[in-house]
Amino acid sequence: DGGITQSPKYLFRKEGQNVTLSCEQNLNHDAMYWYRQDPGQGLRLIYYSQIVNDFQKGDIAEGYSVSREKKESFPLTVTSAQKNPTAFYLCASSILGRNQPQHFGDGTRLSIL
Amino acid sequence: AQTVTQSQPEMSVQEAETVTLSCTYDTSESDYYLFWYKQPPSRQMILVIRQEAYKQQNATENRFSVNFQKAAKSFSLKISDSQLGDAAMYFCAYRSADDSGGSNYKLTFGKGTLLTVNP
Repeated sequence: DGGITQSPKYLFRKEGQNVTLSCEQNLNHDAMYWYRQDPGQGLRLIYYSQIVNDFQKGDIAEGYSVSREKKESFPLTVTSAQKNPTAFYLCASSILGRNQPQHFGDGTRLSIL
Repeated sequence: AQTVTQSQPEMSVQEAETVTLSCTYDTSESDYYLFWYKQPPSRQMILVIRQEAYKQQNATENRFSVNFQKAAKSFSLKISDSQLGDAAMYFCAYRSADDSGGSNYKLTFGKGTLLTVNP
């Protein structure tokens, strides 16, 4: 079945450590996105990519980095510069088109040790 | 910038009854798309229904329908014959129809409405 796979499901970060969240899709979608979800908040866009080797900052990119070396993969690194990384992270993908919805993975829960 | 407001943090409904979740948005654009997503306890985001702003007819998907009032910038979701499996957080989202790229492809979400279904 086609879909979006995020791993790991749970992740713990120590102070000063960088961690990487994986997102892989086999839907052949061009666009991929990373969102952050905090309690009582909607989803906020961190980074997005419309094509391989290109990506743009979203609304809350500070303290995060991404790469898009393959169409299927869009990993997110939470750096030590992100002072409040505890959140639920959702990856999404979509076809580039006027009314194409975004499809989401199951998410990764990141916590600080 | 566009904003999406869901004024009901929590709602409850009896099984088999009908419930309406509210959503309003602010935009200066005339063409855009609106979505309702469902997030059950499993935390996966599931598309429920979508509406193109240029269409006057309200979208319908089985027991789910919307009341789209473009002039009022309102986009409510009606769930008929509510089922226990409908219990979830529901998010309203906006997307620009501008295909010039850049940040226009992003979704802007409301803060969500937690729906409880009582047996």
